[in-house]
Amino acid sequence: NAGVMQNPRHLVRRRGQEARLRCSPVKGHSHVYWYRQLPEEGLKFMVYLQKENIIDESGMPKERFSAEFPKEGPSILRIQQVVRGDSAAYFCASSPQGGDTEAFFGQGTRLTVV
Amino acid sequence: GEDVEQSLFLSVREGDSSVINCTYTDSSSTYLYWYKQEPGAGLQLLTYIFSNMDMKQDQRLTVLLNKKDKHLSLRIADTQTGDSAIYFCAESPNNDMRFGAGTRLTVKP
Repeated sequence: NAGVMQNPRHLVRRRGQEARLRCSPVKGHSHVYWYRQLPEEGLKFMVYLQKENIIDESGMPKERFSAEFPKEGPSILRIQQVVRGDSAAYFCASSPQGGDTEAFFGQGTRLTVV
Repeated sequence: GEDVEQSLFLSVREGDSSVINCTYTDSSSTYLYWYKQEPGAGLQLLTYIFSNMDMKQDQRLTVLLNKKDKHLSLRIADTQTGDSAIYFCAESPNNDMRFGAGTRLTVKP
């Protein structure tokens, strides 16, 4: 089953370290979205990428956060110098095309900053 | 305020119907969605409705859309304990999807 694969499922980082979250989209999907789910809150859009391009990063914090979706390999969400407030579940979704199409979600990466 | 609003909790007895309500703000979404999140898991698309429809039925699920009031609801008939989860309403006006905070449905035996 080639669904959206995220790894790791759980990630623990000390304050100040870097966190790298990986997302492999459904095979053939070229659109990837990242969302953050804070405890007891809903999902918040972070960034939308197509292969090698950032299309919309309006939900991404301006500092410490970056995302990429290279031509080959998974999409990476990178958080530098993590702080406690970064602790959340990060979900990746992919779709075959952008706009109003069904997005398939991964199981998420739960980041805990200690 | 939030673009998409939902009540946070709903508790029903097994066998009863559940109705989860949602209000959204952007009328340009072509589709509106319901996602289900089970404990410790990702989101699964449960159902969706095209914005020019008023109702969509899919087995135990009925989606009602009132476009004038920007109100969306999900009815689950004969609710089972396996339906216990968080249900997210979502609109997709641009390139992204905007979710509500989720309604936690608890089904009591």
